[in-house]
Amino acid sequence: AQSVSQHNHHVILSEAASLELGCNYSYGGTVNLFWYVQYPGQHLQLLLKYFSGDPLVKGIKGFEAEFIKSKFSFNLRKPSVQWSDTAEYFCAVNAHGGGSQGNLIFGKGTKLSVKP
Amino acid sequence: KAGVTQTPRYLIKTRGQQVTLSCSPISGHRSVSWYQQTPGQGLQFLFEYFSETQRNKGNFPGRFSGRQFSNSRSEMNVSTLELGDSALYLCASSGTNGRNSPLHFGNGTRLTVT
Repeated sequence: AQSVSQHNHHVILSEAASLELGCNYSYGGTVNLFWYVQYPGQHLQLLLKYFSGDPLVKGIKGFEAEFIKSKFSFNLRKPSVQWSDTAEYFCAVNAHGGGSQGNLIFGKGTKLSVKP
Repeated sequence: KAGVTQTPRYLIKTRGQQVTLSCSPISGHRSVSWYQQTPGQGLQFLFEYFSETQRNKGNFPGRFSGRQFSNSRSEMNVSTLELGDSALYLCASSGTNGRNSPLHFGNGTRLTVT
């Protein structure tokens, strides 16, 4: 069965530190990849997505992610985090590779705490 | 534009009972998906509806069912509740523009089974 692994359960950083959250998926076919974020008290929202083309994708709030097909990875990065980035981050895969984004397989999430 | 609305926000039910959760998608969105979120399993896909038809289904027992109405509103039903069904149930809607139609999530319904 397809699965998504997020390596870190909880990451604690100081402001201005660089961030990299790992995400690996297990599926050999065409995939669409996503990062979602849930800020405290808010609903899940899309941070960025990859469907095809340039494997380095940029999202909102300075986040970016790189798709490395050979490593089945889609790691999330940000050069300098802010206190407002404190949230839970979810990596997700659409294993069918189709246009529909409704049936996603999510990782278990990584909580990011940024100390001011 | 109003977001995805889920009702009720909280529910407490007893084991063996059944429950119905409701989701109103963003106006104009025809696709509705449901997810179960628990601390142990994380977010798990339940089913997806598009134009009143179930398009995809996750790996949940038949006690979990759903439907979508002609106005795109959706309901999910869980029969013969078990303690393990306690979870946050999230609904998400999306438009019809494929890759340019991301999921928009609601705030969820917190179900507690006692």
